[in-house]
Amino acid sequence: GAVVSQHPSRVICKSGTSVKIECRSLDFQATTMFWYRQFPKQSLMLMATSNEGSKATYEQGVEKDKFLINHASLTLSTLTVTSAHPEDSSFYICSARGIPGQSNQPQHFGDGTRLSIL
Amino acid sequence: DAKTTQPPSMDCAEGRAANLPCNHSTISGNEYVYWYRQIHSQGPQYIIHGLKNNETNEMASLIITEDRKSSTLILPHATLRDTAVYYCIALTSGTYKYIFGTGTRLKVLA
Repeated sequence: GAVVSQHPSRVICKSGTSVKIECRSLDFQATTMFWYRQFPKQSLMLMATSNEGSKATYEQGVEKDKFLINHASLTLSTLTVTSAHPEDSSFYICSARGIPGQSNQPQHFGDGTRLSIL
Repeated sequence: DAKTTQPPSMDCAEGRAANLPCNHSTISGNEYVYWYRQIHSQGPQYIIHGLKNNETNEMASLIITEDRKSSTLILPHATLRDTAVYYCIALTSGTYKYIFGTGTRLKVLA
């Protein structure tokens, strides 16, 4: 089945650091990738939609200058948390959707990145 | 997209069928129902999806009512490894944004 790889799986860094998270589709080309964040005991919240070769679309309330998204190829999207602070600590998850063969094809998720800002 | 509602938690005995309901009473004719599950500290895992016909794969069966206002995910022989949070999502064909609800926390008991 479709595989999405996310790296790193866990990162701990000091406040003020910028952190980059990679999301790769390993066995298919992903025209659209999505970034979510999840706080403990809560559901996933969509942050932004990333389309290859174009600017990401952010959900309401998500700071685009804080969470930089790049989708430069059909297999890679990156999320950079800039000048991270403790309140940015969370579980970040990406998903990918392939080139449409069927409009109802499901998204496939990475295993998430646990970000801890000290 | 249709809003979905699920019970917050359920228990199931190991080896028995787990039946997880989802209500999507405002679903429209072209909205698919997707099921995912999330095991602790992992990303969601795709299970199954359907439009109006019942569907079955190696993981589960999806039963959608004739009026499409609700569906049930069936895990035929639950194992301890099926303990997870199960999410039901309704999505319009051609739109791709998943809106996750609170899901059902299924605990399979030995």
